[in-house]
Amino acid sequence: KNEVEQSPQNLTAQEGEFITINCSYSVGISALHWLQQHPGGGIVSLFMLSSGKKKHGRLIATINIQEKHSSLHITASHPRDSAVYICAVRGSNFGNEKLTFGTGTRLTIIP
Amino acid sequence: GAVVSQHPSRVICKSGTSVKIECRSLDFQATTMFWYRQFPKQSLMLMATSNEGSKATYEQGVEKDKFLINHASLTLSTLTVTSAHPEDSSFYICSARSYISYEQYFGPGTRLTVT
Repeated sequence: KNEVEQSPQNLTAQEGEFITINCSYSVGISALHWLQQHPGGGIVSLFMLSSGKKKHGRLIATINIQEKHSSLHITASHPRDSAVYICAVRGSNFGNEKLTFGTGTRLTIIP
Repeated sequence: GAVVSQHPSRVICKSGTSVKIECRSLDFQATTMFWYRQFPKQSLMLMATSNEGSKATYEQGVEKDKFLINHASLTLSTLTVTSAHPEDSSFYICSARSYISYEQYFGPGTRLTVT
């Protein structure tokens, strides 16, 4: 079992739909990142969370430390949101700064 | 937000030659930078952690003599792929961690093709 699991692996939705991508992890963490990777390969950092909820535009990220679970929501989805969304966690041990990555969720938004 | 650049974005080289990839933090100082490799349809794999002014720490299975990392300043780290082979063809991504916010910012990646 991977330390970081994402679901679903692939998601296709119509433009305008509300999107939820889930991330579960099995280790203690100090922070969780949500990343976006477009087909060209470049990665954009969307959020870094250690507790609660963050919002940026149409994107919302939440984390429940007790349940070791995070969700990324996209409201009013648009074809330009089509990308791979990656969850990554940073270990909680001091000096352990490495990120452990999920396998990603491929999102396709159809016009 | 913070910006990390990589240069070049794409490079094609012949087998046996060396290629240098630069990673720069443009508007913040990064005491730590990370180098990742990503093969098609796979997740990012950490190759090494680079701390300014000291030797890089390599992950198990990554040859330090083949992948030379230099982190000479708080805004620049370089990865040199020496004696490149076709199996080194991959997407190389760096990230830089702000020493103030502790947040990691990713570069746009460099696609290396070795012919």
